Amino acid sequence: IAGITQAPTSQILAAGRRMTLRCTQDMRHNAMYWYRQDLGLGLRLIHYSNTAGTTGKGEVPDGYSVSRANTDDFPLTLASAVPSQTSVYFCASSDRTDVGELFFGEGSRLTVL
Amino acid sequence: GQNIDQPTEMTATEGAIVQINCTYQTSGFNGLFWYQQHAGEAPTFLSYNVLDGLEEKGRFSSFLSRSKGYSYLLLKELQMKDSASYLCAVRDSNYQLIWGAGTKLIIKP
Repeated sequence: IAGITQAPTSQILAAGRRMTLRCTQDMRHNAMYWYRQDLGLGLRLIHYSNTAGTTGKGEVPDGYSVSRANTDDFPLTLASAVPSQTSVYFCASSDRTDVGELFFGEGSRLTVL
Repeated sequence: GQNIDQPTEMTATEGAIVQINCTYQTSGFNGLFWYQQHAGEAPTFLSYNVLDGLEEKGRFSSFLSRSKGYSYLLLKELQMKDSASYLCAVRDSNYQLIWGAGTKLIIKP
């Protein structure tokens, strides 16, 4: 089934550990995004990439990094996890940055203890 | 600052009609989206409005008034499966999406 695949689905992590959330899409979309979703708040953009080889900072980028080596993959790395990074993380993609809807992965639930 | 306001929670009866409102204050406007998100799942696209007026798609309709910074999502003939959160998002002048916190819709038999 075409779409976006995220891994892991769920993870419990000790504070201070490094963690990479993986995201792969097979729709050949140019733009990809990482959001976090917390109770009572709207989706907040962490980082984005408008095309392979480029990345940009979103609303809440601190403590996170991304890379976009090719069109399909957009991993999100937490260099040293902290409890405030406990959240549900969604990867999304869109064909264009100016129009069109976002397609979301199923999410990665991360708990930092 | 930029802001999207939606009611936190609404309750409606199966078979009825419900209207979920969204007001926004953003730096520029390049379209408004509605997404549906069932508990524990990913958001899925419902509708897109960029011009004033009503867009109808089956049981769901979405309305936009750019001058008032206002949109609503209208759900008709409610079904139990419509129990979900409904997210309003506005694309601003930089083409970034600003998201509301979502409206949790509870459908009762």
